[in-house]
Amino acid sequence: DAGITQSPRHKVTETGTPVTLRCHQTENHRYMYWYRQDPGHGLRLIHYSYGVKDTDKGEVSDGYSVSRSKTEDFLLTLESATSSQTSVYFCAISESLAGGPGTGELFFGEGSRLTVL
Amino acid sequence: TQLLEQSPQFLSIQEGENLTVYCNSSSVFSSLQWYRQEPGEGPVLLVTVVTGGEVKKLKRLTFQFGDARKDSSLHITAAQPGDTGLYLCAGLHTGRRALTFGSGTRLQVQP
Repeated sequence: DAGITQSPRHKVTETGTPVTLRCHQTENHRYMYWYRQDPGHGLRLIHYSYGVKDTDKGEVSDGYSVSRSKTEDFLLTLESATSSQTSVYFCAISESLAGGPGTGELFFGEGSRLTVL
Repeated sequence: TQLLEQSPQFLSIQEGENLTVYCNSSSVFSSLQWYRQEPGEGPVLLVTVVTGGEVKKLKRLTFQFGDARKDSSLHITAAQPGDTGLYLCAGLHTGRRALTFGSGTRLQVQP
């Protein structure tokens, strides 16, 4: 199994509070991603990183920010949590892109379940 | 937003039946992947297809990439209860560095 851990695994918070989710990898993979998963929506990309301090927005980035100061850590921050951000958040890593050199396989963490009351 | 539509959304079948899941988009992909996810876990890669018209087989699962690289299908022969799960297609558009996932097909195979 790929060395990827998410923390916390479960969190309940109140509307308006800041929340930070952490993704830590031991694989030295270049690419790191944050997705959220909600019923009927599959996985939706929030932000991703293609190197240290190199990040870009995904399709549902509003209300979220990220930072990657080290290869192994990718942080997702909700500056002021809202009930619409209640979701399961998955971090994923990959060494390469699909269809390019390497397998392009995404390895996922076990998910962080966030509830915003 | 570059959408990836999967159908059907839900499928409940008996053990031994065959089924096909579809993944469609209006735009072209440079590559497409299929993942399977079980409850409480992250998705796991099943296959990657790159060439238009490509067919790949993984035991009882057959994956096909459309000739125009806009669509894909997953066919399962003689489904088993162990095939139960959420099947997700994910496409990578040329020049992009992140996959776009479909909404998923939830499959339940009854013994």
